[in-house]
Amino acid sequence: AQSVSQHNHHVILSEAASLELGCNYSYGGTVNLFWYVQYPGQHLQLLLKYFSGDPLVKGIKGFEAEFIKSKFSFNLRKPSVQWSDTAEYFCAGDGGSQGNLIFGKGTKLSVKP
Amino acid sequence: EAGVAQSPRYKIIEKRQSVAFWCNPISGHATLYWYQQILGQGPKLLIQFQNNGVVDDSQLPKDRFSAERLKGVDSTLKIQPAKLEDSAVYLCASSLGQGKAFFGQGTRLTVV
Repeated sequence: AQSVSQHNHHVILSEAASLELGCNYSYGGTVNLFWYVQYPGQHLQLLLKYFSGDPLVKGIKGFEAEFIKSKFSFNLRKPSVQWSDTAEYFCAGDGGSQGNLIFGKGTKLSVKP
Repeated sequence: EAGVAQSPRYKIIEKRQSVAFWCNPISGHATLYWYQQILGQGPKLLIQFQNNGVVDDSQLPKDRFSAERLKGVDSTLKIQPAKLEDSAVYLCASSLGQGKAFFGQGTRLTVV
């Protein structure tokens, strides 16, 4: 069955620390992968997406993610986090022809000023 | 660009009552989704529409949940009767097709 798993439930960092959030997917064939972010009180927003091509994908606000097919991973990274990055981050996959998304459980990121 | 609009933002009902949520997608978006997000979990797809036709409703509890998308634009999601475990945020999203989905702010339902 198709699934997306996120390793960390809650990550706490100080400003300027580097960030890596884990995401693993389980799909039988071609997969499109996404990271969404939900800031407190706001709606889900797309950070970045991978469809094909260069496995290193750059998104908004300095975020990037690397698709590693051999590890079935799509980890999210940022070299230096800011207090404003405090949010919940969701990894999602779209492996079917219908285009609907399967989400991980989310990782809550708290950045201390 | 106007986003996906949902109403109401919050709703509290007693178990066994009925409730309805409304969604207005981004203009021109043929695909509309309803997701259920239970506290501590990621969103789970309930139903997907392509224009006014249902593409996927395999995870919709059809004994109590129903959804429609009249004229391929607005959509309503109904729960009748509600159970305690239906307490969640109900998210509506729309897209032009495969790829980037735009989400509304959701309706937070509390069943007591």
